[in-house]
Amino acid sequence: DSGVTQTPKHLITATGQRVTLRCSPRSGDLSVYWYQQSLDQGLQFLIQYYNGEERAKGNILERFSAQQFPDLHSELNLSSLELGDSALYFCASRAGGSETQYFGPGTRLLVL
Amino acid sequence: TQLLEQSPQFLSIQEGENLTVYCNSSSVFSSLQWYRQEPGEGPVLLVTVVTGGEVKKLKRLTFQFGDARKDSSLHITAAQPGDTGLYLCAGAGGADGLTFGKGTHLIIQP
Repeated sequence: DSGVTQTPKHLITATGQRVTLRCSPRSGDLSVYWYQQSLDQGLQFLIQYYNGEERAKGNILERFSAQQFPDLHSELNLSSLELGDSALYFCASRAGGSETQYFGPGTRLLVL
Repeated sequence: TQLLEQSPQFLSIQEGENLTVYCNSSSVFSSLQWYRQEPGEGPVLLVTVVTGGEVKKLKRLTFQFGDARKDSSLHITAAQPGDTGLYLCAGAGGADGLTFGKGTHLIIQP
């Protein structure tokens, strides 16, 4: 158990809909990262938050957004969903002073 | 853009054999991490290597970081069915999150 929790574990929705994925980092970790994993692209970095502030952006679509709350949990919002958004979404947290990231169990999103 | 190339992409061997997985890049990383991922689960950290030339051992797994910090290898001795999984290398040091290779799918047959 990495100490990072994600909900829900599975999500099935239709095209055009909007969903919210939730992540709670390890106790004390201020940094949260979101990644998307698909069969053809592998693990792709989406966005990073540090102590409530956006720190870095990767290959995140404009239809996607995220935020980190004062209690350090984070949410990834996916809107106007398309079939191609079906993937595993992972969050990871990192302690200050280390580059090691610890991953949650992921949310499997299926867009029908 | 930093890229990590992993090879081989797929590997199926018999129990008891040895194997090596490679992770190569033209970029320098401040550290490199190896993860193992099972189907439907998140990647689990195996090791982080930081210093060029560093070698770390984890039971039957040996990890090496290249002298120039651009490449790494994972060697498994006497592979067991429980070693089956997706092995991912990931480089840190850019402005963004980790850069992942596409992984090596390893199957150890009893």
